[in-house]
Amino acid sequence: ETGVTQTPRHLVMGMTNKKSLKCEQHLGHNAMYWYKQSAKKPLELMFVYSLEERVENNSVPSRFSPECPNSSHLFLHLHTLQPEDSALYLCASSQGGWDGEQYFGPGTRLTVT
Amino acid sequence: ILNVEQSPQSLHVQEGDSTNFTCSFPSSNFYALHWYRWETAKSPEALFVMTLNGDEKKKGRISATLNTKEGYSYLYIKGSQPEDSATYLCAFTAGNQGGKLIFGQGTELSVKP
Repeated sequence: ETGVTQTPRHLVMGMTNKKSLKCEQHLGHNAMYWYKQSAKKPLELMFVYSLEERVENNSVPSRFSPECPNSSHLFLHLHTLQPEDSALYLCASSQGGWDGEQYFGPGTRLTVT
Repeated sequence: ILNVEQSPQSLHVQEGDSTNFTCSFPSSNFYALHWYRWETAKSPEALFVMTLNGDEKKKGRISATLNTKEGYSYLYIKGSQPEDSATYLCAFTAGNQGGKLIFGQGTELSVKP
């Protein structure tokens, strides 16, 4: 248990669906992250929020829309996804700067049909 | 494009063997180097964050060294145990990249009893 939870753990959605991934951290951290891991590829940073403001958008398509309503919660809203978006989506949090350890959630395994 | 390379991609050892893996990263604009352990069906777990050239860190049977001038870090496991079986990820942060983590593909370690 890392103190970072993600729901749902598994999600199957059609290309026309709208769904949201949720992340919650119970560690009092001030930064939260979304990562994507596709098969056979390294973990890839998608978005960073620091003090609830988005500070990084790593050239992610607009069909992925993040939301950070407070420092403990992070959402990833999904709409009109493509089959190639099927991947493991990980949330992480950290305190302080980029030399701080990141604490990861268990991930959401997303399948787009 | 910043690349982080890890070798080997996979490693199979017997219980009790000592082993080591390599992480190579760009030597310019270095800021920090992270090592994570990722067990199957669990969250990635931070092992070390290293920032200083020549730094050496240790946690139990696992240790890591850092050479920022030549752009590599080694992770050592002494007397491998089956519970050490996991994928070991390294991630590099450059000072001119807004601090985002760039991950390698990982080294998958399997320790046979």
